Amino acid sequence: EAGVAQSPRYKIIEKRQSVAFWCNPISGHATLYWYQQILGQGPKLLIQFQNNGVVDDSQLPKDRFSAERLKGVDSTLKIQPAKLEDSAVYLCASSFIPSGQGHPSYEQYFGPGTRLTVT
Amino acid sequence: SQQGEEDPQALSIQEGENATMNCSYKTSINNLQWYRQNSGRGLVHLILIRSNEREKHSGRLRVTLDTSKKSSSLLITASRAADTASYFCATENYGQNFVFGPGTRLSVLP
Repeated sequence: EAGVAQSPRYKIIEKRQSVAFWCNPISGHATLYWYQQILGQGPKLLIQFQNNGVVDDSQLPKDRFSAERLKGVDSTLKIQPAKLEDSAVYLCASSFIPSGQGHPSYEQYFGPGTRLTVT
Repeated sequence: SQQGEEDPQALSIQEGENATMNCSYKTSINNLQWYRQNSGRGLVHLILIRSNEREKHSGRLRVTLDTSKKSSSLLITASRAADTASYFCATENYGQNFVFGPGTRLSVLP
């Protein structure tokens, strides 16, 4: 089974520039997550999709971050304009969680991440 | 806001010893998961324990959950150098509100 794919693996940009990250989840996984992990900290959930709908984007800085999952499969996360404090690893994860209420939860499968450096 | 908080922040042990790390959280949860992250890599799921479970085992891993104290512990027995990594607990409530703690950095010395 192929894992979660992310690209690029590394990106260096100057502040105020824009950047986009791509994620392809495991086939059949309806739920997709984007996390931001600052060095020395745990991952922070930015946005969670169920198919192509947003489940949770409460911690997404919507003035500069946007994400989409138009066909319910792969997803892109964009930052525009970037700030110095956006330097972090951006992790994508997917999970098989069936739709509906009260369902049990499942493990998340993480991609290798994209290391972003903003100078 | 931080939900899960791991303790200790860093732990250094000799190969063959047991390693115990703890996680405390603040609000009600549906389940708690433990993940491992090797340096520069993505996270790997280790074990999931549901709110109605008290203990779970997987190989050399043992996880306990005390919902009355809002805490969990991860025990790694007979540690190996390959266990050197950061360990995170993650809490969630019915597939939403995933929150990871800051992690415990474990170093296993040969």
